Amino acid sequence: DAGVTQSPTHLIKTRGQQVTLRCSPKSGHDTVSWYQQALGQGPQFIFQYYEEEERQRGNFPDRFSGHQFPNYSSELNVNALLLGDSALYLCASSLVSANTGELFFGEGSRLTVL
Amino acid sequence: AQSVSQHNHHVILSEAASLELGCNYSYGGTVNLFWYVQYPGQHLQLLLKYFSGDPLVKGIKGFEAEFIKSKFSFNLRKPSVQWSDTAEYFCAVKTGGGFKTIFGAGTRLFVKA
Repeated sequence: DAGVTQSPTHLIKTRGQQVTLRCSPKSGHDTVSWYQQALGQGPQFIFQYYEEEERQRGNFPDRFSGHQFPNYSSELNVNALLLGDSALYLCASSLVSANTGELFFGEGSRLTVL
Repeated sequence: AQSVSQHNHHVILSEAASLELGCNYSYGGTVNLFWYVQYPGQHLQLLLKYFSGDPLVKGIKGFEAEFIKSKFSFNLRKPSVQWSDTAEYFCAVKTGGGFKTIFGAGTRLFVKA
């Protein structure tokens, strides 16, 4: 069973750089949500993609952008990195038609900004 | 803005003790409620969920939660914890008309053998 896969698992960047994180949803899922989890905090909603469109966005600046591809995989891009962007970035997939709201999470990409 | 509050950040229990983790949310409309769990070294996974109907819902591994609409609460319970329940527990809310799921800050549970 192909669960949610994310890459890379760890990465280190410096302030001002740009980063791209990737996510492949669980097989059969069509919706991808991205979350930021800072140390000691719960996941914070960044945005959700469905049908290659951003469907809803959380309280994150425009430096955070995303994309969904026709195969439902997704990318999260963060420009002009700040120290405060250091966090675990989680991808969660779901199936709209299932209407359960259940999210399936990947292991996350841990970003360190120096 | 919607929010989720978890009352305890850290809980330490001995095996066989009873567990109750508090969760309150702020939203007046229809909600879907969830508890997710993250075991050490693993990804977040669903423990149980409430959509409608019986406010007492049962999940995996003997966990249950009760939705009390008048109190905006969705507390998680387990009569007798095991060492393997050591994990971080997150309460989450999805509003009826929205797409995003909002998470609480989490409660770290440590069960002493």
